[in-house]
Amino acid sequence: GEDVEQSLFLSVREGDSSVINCTYTDSSSTYLYWYKQEPGAGLQLLTYIFSNMDMKQDQRLTVLLNKKDKHLSLRIADTQTGDSAIYFCAEIGTDKLIFGTGTRLQVFP
Amino acid sequence: KAGVTQTPRYLIKTRGQQVTLSCSPISGHRSVSWYQQTPGQGLQFLFEYFSETQRNKGNFPGRFSGRQFSNSRSEMNVSTLELGDSALYLCASSGGFGGNTEAFFGQGTRLTVV
Repeated sequence: GEDVEQSLFLSVREGDSSVINCTYTDSSSTYLYWYKQEPGAGLQLLTYIFSNMDMKQDQRLTVLLNKKDKHLSLRIADTQTGDSAIYFCAEIGTDKLIFGTGTRLQVFP
Repeated sequence: KAGVTQTPRYLIKTRGQQVTLSCSPISGHRSVSWYQQTPGQGLQFLFEYFSETQRNKGNFPGRFSGRQFSNSRSEMNVSTLELGDSALYLCASSGGFGGNTEAFFGQGTRLTVV
């Protein structure tokens, strides 16, 4: 079935790295995404990775993909208070995105 | 380049009423998807339209319907509103998942049913 799982909460100190994990079920997914949602806002596309890649880096963001284990992670370097938000991973289903439950990242000084 | 525009941003309706939400995608994008976000159920897929055709539909009752116009703007309609329909409704715009890789979301419409 379609199921994307994430841990619900993550708390980190400002300046540290954050790692948000996600497991997905559909091995045929061609693209996997990370979205950020701030309070009262919609979803902001942060980055995505193609299934034939192992890693993608974009400034402070690093995405790692382990296809064998169907595991996706998002690392945020030098985490800032402005990074506090809910982070969703998503995989492509048939003409739709299947979202994880979201991980609430809290950054404290 | 303008982003995805959803109107209205906020809506309060009474049980039993019906509501229409609007989504204008990014210029050139032909796919519009709708999602319902609630604290209990998370992000749930409603339906997807591409070139005025519904290609996929989620597990929602028939009270939820949608359409897409020739200019790619989309509307979704919820009839006979129930309290449980209170949610943030998000629409996503993309070139179509068969090709374009990126889906961009609007700010959402927050519907409250009282």
